[in-house]
Amino acid sequence: EAGVAQSPRYKIIEKRQSVAFWCNPISGHATLYWYQQILGQGPKLLIQFQNNGVVDDSQLPKDRFSAERLKGVDSTLKIQPAKLEDSAVYLCASSLSPRGGYQTQYFGPGTRLLVL
Amino acid sequence: KNQVEQSPQSLIILEGKNCTLQCNYTVSPFSNLRWYKQDTGRGPVSLTIMTFSENTKSNGRYTATLDADTKQSSLHITASQLSDSASYICVVTRPESSGSARQLTFGSGTQLTVLP
Repeated sequence: EAGVAQSPRYKIIEKRQSVAFWCNPISGHATLYWYQQILGQGPKLLIQFQNNGVVDDSQLPKDRFSAERLKGVDSTLKIQPAKLEDSAVYLCASSLSPRGGYQTQYFGPGTRLLVL
Repeated sequence: KNQVEQSPQSLIILEGKNCTLQCNYTVSPFSNLRWYKQDTGRGPVSLTIMTFSENTKSNGRYTATLDADTKQSSLHITASQLSDSASYICVVTRPESSGSARQLTFGSGTQLTVLP
């Protein structure tokens, strides 16, 4: 079974530039998550989708971050404009059902973003 | 406030030795607790999951314990190997009935280094 795919793996941009990350979850997984993991910290949930609807985006900085999952499969996360403090690893995860705590979340390798 | 605290922050041991990582939480109500292993440059991978009624769970050389009364968990690694070098993250889940879609609280992780 193919795992969660993410691209790019690394990205270096200057502050105030825009950047987009892509995630392809495991086939058949209804729920998709985007996390931000700052060095030395645990992942922080940014947004949770169930199919193509948003379940939780309470920790998403909506003035600069946006995410979509138009067809209920792939998802993109965008930052516009980026700030220095956005430097982090962005992890995508998926689970079979909306019951995130009960179903195992499978994580992708992450996209490491460095904002200069 | 719902928190998950892990200790130590980092740990260095010699190959073949045992070690124990700690996780204390204040998350309430409680549904389950997971330990994840995160290799450098990879996403987290689930090692064990324990519900309220379980006080121990093993996965090969990894043994997790849970004391739901004192809200403490530990992850014991036996006969460590170089490949055990990773960050170990404790994640506590609240029940769906708690009314929040954001049910998972991540610890900051313990960075384990196994030296030859």
